[in-house]
Amino acid sequence: DTEVTQTPKHLVMGMTNKKSLKCEQHMGHRAMYWYKQKAKKPPELMFVYSYEKLSINESVPSRFSPECPNSSLLNLHLHALQPEDSALYLCASSQPLTGDYEQFFGPGTRLTVL
Amino acid sequence: SQQGEEDPQALSIQEGENATMNCSYKTSINNLQWYRQNSGRGLVHLILIRSNEREKHSGRLRVTLDTSKKSSSLLITASRAADTASYFCATDPKLGRLYFGRGTQLTVWP
Repeated sequence: DTEVTQTPKHLVMGMTNKKSLKCEQHMGHRAMYWYKQKAKKPPELMFVYSYEKLSINESVPSRFSPECPNSSLLNLHLHALQPEDSALYLCASSQPLTGDYEQFFGPGTRLTVL
Repeated sequence: SQQGEEDPQALSIQEGENATMNCSYKTSINNLQWYRQNSGRGLVHLILIRSNEREKHSGRLRVTLDTSKKSSSLLITASRAADTASYFCATDPKLGRLYFGRGTQLTVWP
Protein backbone atom coordinates (compact mmCIF):
# COMPACT_ATOMS: atom_id res chain seq x y z
CA ASP A 1 0.00 0.00 0.00
CA THR A 2 1.69 3.19 -1.19
CA GLU A 3 -1.12 5.54 -0.32
CA VAL A 4 -1.60 8.31 2.18
CA THR A 5 -5.26 8.85 3.00
CA GLN A 6 -6.83 11.96 4.47
CA THR A 7 -10.30 12.54 5.88
CA PRO A 8 -12.46 14.43 5.40
CA LYS A 9 -11.98 15.64 1.83
CA HIS A 10 -13.88 18.84 2.54
CA LEU A 11 -14.64 20.58 5.82
CA VAL A 12 -16.63 23.72 6.52
CA MET A 13 -16.50 25.02 10.06
CA GLY A 14 -17.40 28.09 12.04
CA MET A 15 -14.89 30.03 14.08
CA THR A 16 -16.16 28.53 17.33
CA ASN A 17 -16.15 24.91 16.18
CA LYS A 18 -13.70 22.16 17.10
CA LYS A 19 -12.83 19.69 14.38
CA SER A 20 -10.06 17.26 13.51
CA LEU A 21 -8.30 16.29 10.32
CA LYS A 22 -7.02 12.74 10.01
CA CYS A 23 -4.18 11.22 8.02
CA GLU A 24 -3.16 7.58 7.71
CA GLN A 25 -0.37 5.70 5.96
CA HIS A 26 0.60 2.03 5.96
CA MET A 27 3.97 2.25 4.24
CA GLY A 28 5.92 1.91 7.49
CA HIS A 29 7.11 5.50 7.21
CA ARG A 30 8.32 7.01 10.46
CA ALA A 31 8.12 10.69 9.54
CA MET A 32 4.82 12.47 8.97
CA TYR A 33 4.10 16.05 8.03
CA TRP A 34 1.30 18.62 8.00
CA TYR A 35 1.34 21.33 5.34
CA LYS A 36 -0.96 24.25 4.66
CA GLN A 37 -1.38 25.40 1.09
CA LYS A 38 -3.11 28.52 -0.17
CA ALA A 39 -4.19 28.87 -3.79
CA LYS A 40 -1.31 29.29 -6.27
CA LYS A 41 1.27 29.02 -3.48
CA PRO A 42 3.68 26.25 -2.49
CA PRO A 43 2.92 24.05 0.54
CA GLU A 44 3.96 25.64 3.84
CA LEU A 45 5.30 23.25 6.42
CA MET A 46 3.42 23.31 9.73
CA PHE A 47 4.59 20.30 11.75
CA VAL A 48 6.90 17.31 11.46
CA TYR A 49 6.66 14.14 13.52
CA SER A 50 9.62 11.83 13.51
CA TYR A 51 9.25 8.44 15.21
CA GLU A 52 5.97 9.68 16.74
CA LYS A 53 7.65 12.67 18.37
CA LEU A 54 7.08 16.27 17.33
CA SER A 55 10.38 17.37 15.84
CA ILE A 56 9.46 20.57 13.99
CA ASN A 57 6.80 23.18 14.75
CA GLU A 58 7.02 26.07 12.31
CA SER A 59 5.67 28.60 14.82
CA VAL A 60 2.11 27.54 14.09
CA PRO A 61 -0.65 29.23 16.16
CA SER A 62 -1.92 27.15 19.06
CA ARG A 63 -5.37 26.91 17.47
CA PHE A 64 -3.75 24.11 15.44
CA SER A 65 -2.82 21.13 17.60
CA PRO A 66 -1.12 18.10 16.06
CA GLU A 67 -1.22 14.59 17.45
CA CYS A 68 0.51 11.39 16.39
CA PRO A 69 -1.25 8.48 18.20
CA ASN A 70 0.92 5.86 16.48
CA SER A 71 3.32 5.44 13.59
CA SER A 72 0.49 5.19 11.03
CA LEU A 73 -1.79 8.00 12.15
CA LEU A 74 -1.53 11.75 12.28
CA ASN A 75 -4.25 14.12 13.44
CA LEU A 76 -4.60 17.87 13.31
CA HIS A 77 -7.02 19.28 15.86
CA LEU A 78 -8.60 22.59 14.98
CA HIS A 79 -10.16 25.06 17.41
CA ALA A 80 -11.22 28.69 17.13
CA LEU A 81 -9.91 29.07 13.61
CA GLN A 82 -9.98 32.28 11.61
CA PRO A 83 -11.26 32.75 8.05
CA GLU A 84 -7.66 33.20 6.89
CA ASP A 85 -7.00 29.61 7.94
CA SER A 86 -9.11 28.45 5.01
CA ALA A 87 -6.76 26.44 2.80
CA LEU A 88 -5.86 22.98 1.53
CA TYR A 89 -4.27 20.95 4.33
CA LEU A 90 -1.90 18.29 3.14
CA CYS A 91 -0.46 15.37 5.02
CA ALA A 92 2.71 13.62 3.87
CA SER A 93 4.95 10.82 5.05
CA SER A 94 8.52 9.74 4.38
CA GLN A 95 11.00 7.15 5.52
CA PRO A 96 13.84 8.90 7.38
CA LEU A 97 16.02 5.78 7.24
CA THR A 98 16.64 6.32 3.51
CA GLY A 99 18.05 9.77 4.24
CA ASP A 100 16.32 11.16 1.17
CA TYR A 101 13.07 12.53 2.64
CA GLU A 102 11.12 11.73 -0.52
CA GLN A 103 7.60 12.54 0.56
CA PHE A 104 4.33 10.84 -0.23
CA PHE A 105 1.35 13.17 -0.06
CA GLY A 106 -2.31 12.58 0.65
CA PRO A 107 -5.03 14.23 -1.46
CA GLY A 108 -5.62 16.93 1.12
CA THR A 109 -8.53 18.33 3.10
CA ARG A 110 -10.10 21.49 1.71
CA LEU A 111 -10.95 23.57 4.80
CA THR A 112 -13.28 26.55 4.74
CA VAL A 113 -13.67 28.64 7.90
CA LEU A 114 -16.75 30.83 7.99
CA SER B 1 15.25 31.71 2.88
CA GLN B 2 16.35 28.31 1.62
CA GLN B 3 13.43 28.05 -0.77
CA GLY B 4 13.99 27.19 -4.38
CA GLU B 5 12.78 29.61 -6.99
CA GLU B 6 11.22 28.23 -10.15
CA ASP B 7 11.39 29.91 -13.46
CA PRO B 8 9.19 30.57 -15.31
CA GLN B 9 6.19 31.03 -13.01
CA ALA B 10 3.89 30.03 -15.87
CA LEU B 11 4.52 28.14 -19.10
CA SER B 12 2.04 27.51 -21.90
CA ILE B 13 2.87 25.12 -24.76
CA GLN B 14 1.25 22.89 -27.38
CA GLU B 15 1.03 19.12 -27.09
CA GLY B 16 4.13 17.45 -28.44
CA GLU B 17 6.44 20.31 -27.48
CA ASN B 18 9.06 20.06 -24.76
CA ALA B 19 8.65 21.93 -21.49
CA THR B 20 11.62 23.14 -19.47
CA MET B 21 11.40 24.47 -15.94
CA ASN B 22 14.27 25.79 -13.89
CA CYS B 23 14.90 25.91 -10.18
CA SER B 24 17.51 27.86 -8.25
CA TYR B 25 18.29 27.49 -4.56
CA LYS B 26 20.50 29.11 -1.98
CA THR B 27 22.12 26.60 0.37
CA SER B 28 23.98 23.31 0.05
CA ILE B 29 21.68 20.34 -0.41
CA ASN B 30 21.54 16.59 0.10
CA ASN B 31 19.20 16.18 -2.85
CA LEU B 32 16.70 18.07 -4.97
CA GLN B 33 13.25 16.72 -5.77
CA TRP B 34 10.54 17.62 -8.27
CA TYR B 35 6.84 17.25 -7.51
CA ARG B 36 3.70 17.68 -9.62
CA GLN B 37 0.36 18.91 -8.34
CA ASN B 38 -2.87 18.76 -10.26
CA SER B 39 -5.31 21.49 -9.33
CA GLY B 40 -6.53 21.15 -5.75
CA ARG B 41 -4.92 17.74 -5.26
CA GLY B 42 -1.98 16.37 -3.33
CA LEU B 43 1.57 16.52 -4.62
CA VAL B 44 3.08 13.59 -6.49
CA HIS B 45 6.79 12.88 -6.29
CA LEU B 46 8.33 12.79 -9.77
CA ILE B 47 12.07 12.42 -9.43
CA LEU B 48 14.92 12.87 -6.97
CA ILE B 49 18.47 13.80 -7.88
CA ARG B 50 21.25 13.59 -5.32
CA SER B 51 23.90 16.25 -4.88
CA ASN B 52 26.57 14.01 -6.42
CA GLU B 53 24.51 13.38 -9.57
CA ARG B 54 24.40 15.63 -12.62
CA GLU B 55 21.56 14.15 -14.66
CA LYS B 56 18.73 11.71 -14.18
CA HIS B 57 16.00 10.33 -16.43
CA SER B 58 12.61 8.84 -15.71
CA GLY B 59 10.38 8.16 -18.70
CA ARG B 60 9.74 11.50 -20.42
CA LEU B 61 11.40 13.40 -17.57
CA ARG B 62 14.99 14.59 -17.55
CA VAL B 63 16.44 16.40 -14.56
CA THR B 64 19.81 18.10 -14.37
CA LEU B 65 21.58 19.48 -11.33
CA ASP B 66 24.44 21.97 -11.23
CA THR B 67 25.52 22.35 -7.62
CA SER B 68 28.15 24.97 -8.53
CA LYS B 69 25.36 27.22 -9.85
CA LYS B 70 22.83 25.95 -7.30
CA SER B 71 20.34 25.24 -10.04
CA SER B 72 18.31 22.42 -11.52
CA SER B 73 16.14 21.97 -14.57
CA LEU B 74 13.23 19.68 -15.33
CA LEU B 75 12.58 18.79 -18.96
CA ILE B 76 9.35 17.11 -19.98
CA THR B 77 9.61 15.80 -23.52
CA ALA B 78 6.71 15.33 -25.93
CA SER B 79 4.28 16.95 -23.52
CA ARG B 80 0.64 15.90 -23.27
CA ALA B 81 -2.48 17.70 -22.12
CA ALA B 82 -2.39 15.46 -19.05
CA ASP B 83 0.92 17.07 -18.05
CA THR B 84 -0.97 20.27 -17.24
CA ALA B 85 -0.23 20.88 -13.57
CA SER B 86 1.90 22.88 -11.14
CA TYR B 87 5.48 21.69 -10.79
CA PHE B 88 7.49 22.35 -7.64
CA CYS B 89 11.13 21.82 -6.90
CA ALA B 90 12.02 20.99 -3.33
CA THR B 91 15.44 20.98 -1.74
CA ASP B 92 16.58 18.73 1.06
CA PRO B 93 19.40 20.32 3.06
CA LYS B 94 19.32 17.30 5.38
CA LEU B 95 17.40 19.04 8.15
CA GLY B 96 14.53 16.55 8.20
CA ARG B 97 12.35 18.65 5.96
CA LEU B 98 11.97 19.88 2.40
CA TYR B 99 11.98 23.48 1.17
CA PHE B 100 9.53 24.02 -1.69
CA GLY B 101 9.86 26.62 -4.40
CA ARG B 102 7.02 28.79 -5.63
CA GLY B 103 6.21 26.45 -8.51
CA THR B 104 5.72 26.64 -12.27
CA GLN B 105 2.20 26.38 -13.67
CA LEU B 106 2.42 24.37 -16.89
CA THR B 107 -0.47 24.41 -19.35
CA VAL B 108 -0.34 22.05 -22.33
CA TRP B 109 -2.89 22.79 -25.05
CA PRO B 110 -4.25 19.95 -27.21
